[in-house]
Amino acid sequence: DIQMTQSPSSVSASVGDRVTISCRASQGISTRLAWYQQKPGKAPNLLISSASNLQSGVPSRFSGSGSGTDFILTISSLQPEDFATYYCQRANTFPITFGQGTRLEIK
Amino acid sequence: EVQLVESGGGLVQPGQSLRLSCTSSGFTIGDYIIHWVRQAPGKGLEWVGFIRSKASGGTTEYAASMKGRFTISRDDSKNIAYLEMNSLNTEDSAMYYCARDPVRADGYNFDYWGQGTLVTVSS
Repeated sequence: DIQMTQSPSSVSASVGDRVTISCRASQGISTRLAWYQQKPGKAPNLLISSASNLQSGVPSRFSGSGSGTDFILTISSLQPEDFATYYCQRANTFPITFGQGTRLEIK
Repeated sequence: EVQLVESGGGLVQPGQSLRLSCTSSGFTIGDYIIHWVRQAPGKGLEWVGFIRSKASGGTTEYAASMKGRFTISRDDSKNIAYLEMNSLNTEDSAMYYCARDPVRADGYNFDYWGQGTLVTVSS
């Protein structure tokens, strides 16, 4: 199975900071990658599909890039509501796999 | 409004079975892929499996560790999807989510999720 590895596993940042989260696939997956945000006690929320396609209603400070094996989620200017855990997900075929998650904490 | 509501979770003993339900509203469940995803307490997300749309035959796929023990089905007349789990063990303890797949060309994604139902396997 294709494994998804996120880095870092946790990051501390301040409101207004720019943050990047990386996701690496063990094999190439073209741009078939999604990003999710999960807040404590809530279901995940789809932010980005196809590596860079921002979902309707998601703030434009979120962006995604990458193709093949290396992908990045960028939050351009952190807002208080962005502190959460972020997951990447391989979307090209099954078994579907997620990264282990990146916890974004307030510094 | 699209909604998914899971139910059927609870406390069961090792070796027992449980059936979870995912009741949908705001869309026709048979037109979409429905996934099940689980999350053990304090852990990450783990894909369980999915059932294809009616147009694609309604067939199923599962994660290797659950194949043979878990079965996903759907009753389109009731707009409900099910996850039947057999031979449960403590490692199956998790929050179980159902999620809708918008079935786009960009692969498997989950655009709407339920709130989850908690399964605890313990003696």
